[in-house]
Amino acid sequence: DTAVSQTPKYLVTQMGNDKSIKCEQNLGHDTMYWYKQDSKKFLKIMFSYNNKELIINETVPNRFSPKSPDKAHLNLHINSLELGDSAVYFCASSHQTGGRGYTFGSGTRLTVV
Amino acid sequence: QQPVQSPQAVILREGEDAVINCSSSKALYSVHWYRQKHGEAPVFLMILLKGGEQKGHDKISASFNEKKQQSSLYLTASQLSYSGTYFCGTENYGGATNKLIFGTGTLLAVQP
Repeated sequence: DTAVSQTPKYLVTQMGNDKSIKCEQNLGHDTMYWYKQDSKKFLKIMFSYNNKELIINETVPNRFSPKSPDKAHLNLHINSLELGDSAVYFCASSHQTGGRGYTFGSGTRLTVV
Repeated sequence: QQPVQSPQAVILREGEDAVINCSSSKALYSVHWYRQKHGEAPVFLMILLKGGEQKGHDKISASFNEKKQQSSLYLTASQLSYSGTYFCGTENYGGATNKLIFGTGTLLAVQP
């Protein structure tokens, strides 16, 4: 199946811990993203990578560190988790050239207790 | 900078029509529309690139008024499957390439 796949789907962890979320796409897209959806359902862009290069970093705390080993993978590592980090994190991908939509992964629901 | 959508929520009976509006304070390069069902990922519906462009997708269509910095999504003869939260996403002139900013969302509930 062609898709954007994220793991894990659910993540429950204690404050102060470090966790990672992985994302892979097999659509042949060259740009990948991390979005955060809060409890009010607002979808906010965090990072964007094009061919492994960081192109958008939206004033996200530096506890969040994305890594893109190749253009098909984009991971998100979060250090020293805080209660306010609880949200659903979506990975997405697209072609860089305009005119096409984004394909989203199924999301990772992160709960910090 | 976040586009504002109206209404915030709408309840319809099957077969009724609805319009969802998306307004930006900045000049728009493109507008995307997505639908998100509860507990699922947003799903791409359509993209509009040119001012005045209208696009259709089954009984869901959209228009783009570049001058007014607005887009509208039209849902006609609504079906139960149309229920979900609709988001517009905008790319602005002068902004970063591929920086899609999502709107505030519109919750649509279609009842039998």
